[in-house]
Amino acid sequence: AQSVAQPEDQVNVAEGNPLTVKCTYSVSGNPYLFWYVQYPNRGLQFLLKYITGDNLVKGSYGFEAEFNKSQTSFHLKKPSALVSDSALYFCAVGNAGNMLTFGGGTRLMVKP
Amino acid sequence: DAGVIQSPRHEVTEMGQEVTLRCKPISGHDYLFWYRQTMMRGLELLIYFNNNVPIDDSGMPEDRFSAKMPNASFSTLKIQPSEPRDSAVYFCASSLMVGFADTQYFGPGTRLTVL
Repeated sequence: AQSVAQPEDQVNVAEGNPLTVKCTYSVSGNPYLFWYVQYPNRGLQFLLKYITGDNLVKGSYGFEAEFNKSQTSFHLKKPSALVSDSALYFCAVGNAGNMLTFGGGTRLMVKP
Repeated sequence: DAGVIQSPRHEVTEMGQEVTLRCKPISGHDYLFWYRQTMMRGLELLIYFNNNVPIDDSGMPEDRFSAKMPNASFSTLKIQPSEPRDSAVYFCASSLMVGFADTQYFGPGTRLTVL
């Protein structure tokens, strides 16, 4: 069975500093990896995905993520955090023929 | 495109009442998903449809829950009778025909409170 782990319930970072939100996965075959963001009282919004190709994926709002097959990781990163980035972030994994499995979410708090 | 539309946005009902949640997917999307989000259990997939046909309903918690998709532009999730433990945010999402590598687009959700 496929699974996703987001080991940190919350990540705190100061505005202007780089941020990393961690995600590791377990899946058979080649993985499809996604990051979504959820703002308060809103649905999940797509940030970026890795299907194949370049291991570094660039997405919306200046976010990027790096696919690391050997470490089965897909960490979300941003060089300079904004207060407006504060939200709940979800990593998800799937593969051909299988539904997406979402992680438990990581709350990102960016302080001025 | 208006995105995925859900109604109502908020629903407060009493235990034992029937609740119907509605979803309009993005036009042209052949997959439709219903999720439930709670603090305790996170985001759970309840059921999904492909071309209006239910494919996997293994996530539906029990027989009190039912979902239909009578046409490509409309789906309902019904709870009858509702119980306080059904209180959650219910999301609908849709994606294109290409399947699971494709991005799912989520609606704003329906916050259900069962008293």
